[in-house]
Amino acid sequence: RKEVEQDPGPFNVPEGATVAFNCTYSNSASQSFFWYRQDCRKEPKLLMSVYSSGNEDGRFTAQLNRASQYISLLIRDSKLSDSATYLCVVVGNQFYFGTGTSLTVIP
Amino acid sequence: SAVISQKPSRDICQRGTSLTIQCQVDSQVTMMFWYRQQPGQSLTLIATANQGSEATYESGFVIDKFPISRPNLTFSTLTVSNMSPEDSSIYLCSVARGRAGELFFGEGSRLTVL
Repeated sequence: RKEVEQDPGPFNVPEGATVAFNCTYSNSASQSFFWYRQDCRKEPKLLMSVYSSGNEDGRFTAQLNRASQYISLLIRDSKLSDSATYLCVVVGNQFYFGTGTSLTVIP
Repeated sequence: SAVISQKPSRDICQRGTSLTIQCQVDSQVTMMFWYRQQPGQSLTLIATANQGSEATYESGFVIDKFPISRPNLTFSTLTVSNMSPEDSSIYLCSVARGRAGELFFGEGSRLTVL
């Protein structure tokens, strides 16, 4: 079983839409969780950390559900510039990356 | 954050040759990580480069194929040896930094093996 499972999408949404991504993880002892953004032909860049209490940064909200072992990312009021691949990351004895979810925001 | 310079940014190589990728970090770090991202795939950890000791390789990766150097706390190299088309990939170096120990990546080296 993979350490991290992520729906690859693609998600194609109109501007202004709200979209949510989920990742499930297998190791209940995982300590840290992150969401990364990767643009085409670029390196992954940290979008936000995910805390047990949830955290919000502008239009982005990340949540952690330890009981069900998943993390989520919610993007409100989608912009064209949000088009990218979003990677969830779960930290156990190393950083485990999801396969990424492709998002395209359509005008 | 961290400033990580990686080169070459891309290369096209012949089967059977070797390529060394360099990674320079703007400040001292204990561990540097080398990842591979194959087309359409996520990131896979190749090895952890420790200064002053042998690199630690993940399952499926061996030192003869991916020798790593770590001469000081700001620099590391990864060599892809005896390349085959299956080695075509993006290779990324990274360091863990920040309050939550998040990873920061170099810009990646896109390797194509013919």
